[in-house]
Amino acid sequence: GAVVSQHPSWVICKSGTSVKIECRSLDFQATTMFWYRQFPKQSLMLMATSNEGSKATYEQGVEKDKFLINHASLTLSTLTVTSAHPEDSSFYICSAKSSGRGSYNEQFFGPGTRLTVL
Amino acid sequence: QKEVEQNSGPLSVPEGAIASLNCTYSDRGSQSFFWYRQYSGKSPELIMSIYSNGDKEDGRFTAQLNKASQYVSLLIRDSQPSDSATYLCAVKHKAAGNKLTFGGGTRVLVKP
Repeated sequence: GAVVSQHPSWVICKSGTSVKIECRSLDFQATTMFWYRQFPKQSLMLMATSNEGSKATYEQGVEKDKFLINHASLTLSTLTVTSAHPEDSSFYICSAKSSGRGSYNEQFFGPGTRLTVL
Repeated sequence: QKEVEQNSGPLSVPEGAIASLNCTYSDRGSQSFFWYRQYSGKSPELIMSIYSNGDKEDGRFTAQLNKASQYVSLLIRDSQPSDSATYLCAVKHKAAGNKLTFGGGTRVLVKP
């Protein structure tokens, strides 16, 4: 149980294009999902918190108009990197909070999406 | 000052020995503590969660929490080469909702 998938697992795109990444909770409902970014040899940095049916909450310094988040259902959240540039190249990882699985609601991570912008 | 601190390592451990990883956190309001393992190029995998002071054991892993001293540790017994990875400490504070704050991670190398 508690499986989270991401698609695609990797993507290469040209500068200026937009890329959509999907995050799905496969065997549980997730009212809250999180989007992280990880640069090489660095730890995970939270970008935004995605809540089903409402607007995402972005961390300080993260441009909400560049990183569009949609959480349309209890099992799917999407992150769209708009007008991607080489500096957006990173490992993007989502996680889902397992609502109803114990009082502390652990987070489970998807396998990540490696984005390379040429 | 970082909110969650870990020694970056690498921590080199002979196969079969005990690996000891430490994590300190700055916010006394932190309530939940997690250890994740991350292999190179992969996403983090939850190993242990601990919420109250003391020890919690799961297989070869033992998490230890001391809220008064604001540290949480992870012991890996009978270390195997497959344990070679980066271990991330994560902390959740009640006031921050469900957000996790991660430490920088400790790289562990288990040598055969």
